[in-house]
Amino acid sequence: EAQVTQNPRYLITVTGKKLTVTCSQNMNHEYMSWYRQDPGLGLRQIYYSMNVEVTDKGDVPEGYKVSRKEKRNFPLILESPSPNQTSLYFCASSLSSTVGLGAGELFFGEGSRLTVL
Amino acid sequence: KNQVEQSPQSLIILEGKNCTLQCNYTVSPFSNLRWYKQDTGRGPVSLTIMTFSENTKSNGRYTATLDADTKQSSLHITASQLSDSASYICVVSSRQTGANNLFFGTGTRLTVIP
Repeated sequence: EAQVTQNPRYLITVTGKKLTVTCSQNMNHEYMSWYRQDPGLGLRQIYYSMNVEVTDKGDVPEGYKVSRKEKRNFPLILESPSPNQTSLYFCASSLSSTVGLGAGELFFGEGSRLTVL
Repeated sequence: KNQVEQSPQSLIILEGKNCTLQCNYTVSPFSNLRWYKQDTGRGPVSLTIMTFSENTKSNGRYTATLDADTKQSSLHITASQLSDSASYICVVSSRQTGANNLFFGTGTRLTVIP
């Protein structure tokens, strides 16, 4: 089954404790991205990757890191989480590397709800 | 500034009734517009895509319209069902190269009650 898989789905952590949210897609998609969703603010892009070893900042990259060493995986790293990073996170992928030009449909994972105390 | 605005922010309707959700955008140069449905606790799923040359497109009980001149789109839901309860997100793509070519609306939260 074609899908985007995120883990963990739910996580409660404490300020400063490094964590990684994994994202994997099995559709051989070139484009992958991370979003956070907060009430009233909608989806905001954190980082995106047009292809392996190519990543770039989105609208709200502060406090996050990503890597794209393999085509299928795009982990989101919070080196020192803070309470303002409490949010619902979505990973998404798209077939086309030109999704930025509107060519591709985004396929989203099920979301990871993160709480930082 | 590229922006996408959706209205209303939330909507409650009776099962079986019709409703229309609005999306206004200032994104330029325009490439396409997608409507996504997001069930509670799930990731968004694409419902339909509208390109510059398309005025109307249907997907079952969902009909999307696009007026590229006024930069407006609507999503009309006919004979609503309880399963239509979800958030509907409008996403507009720009043809401009570079970062952040996707612009998201904040969504309309639809609740269908029996």
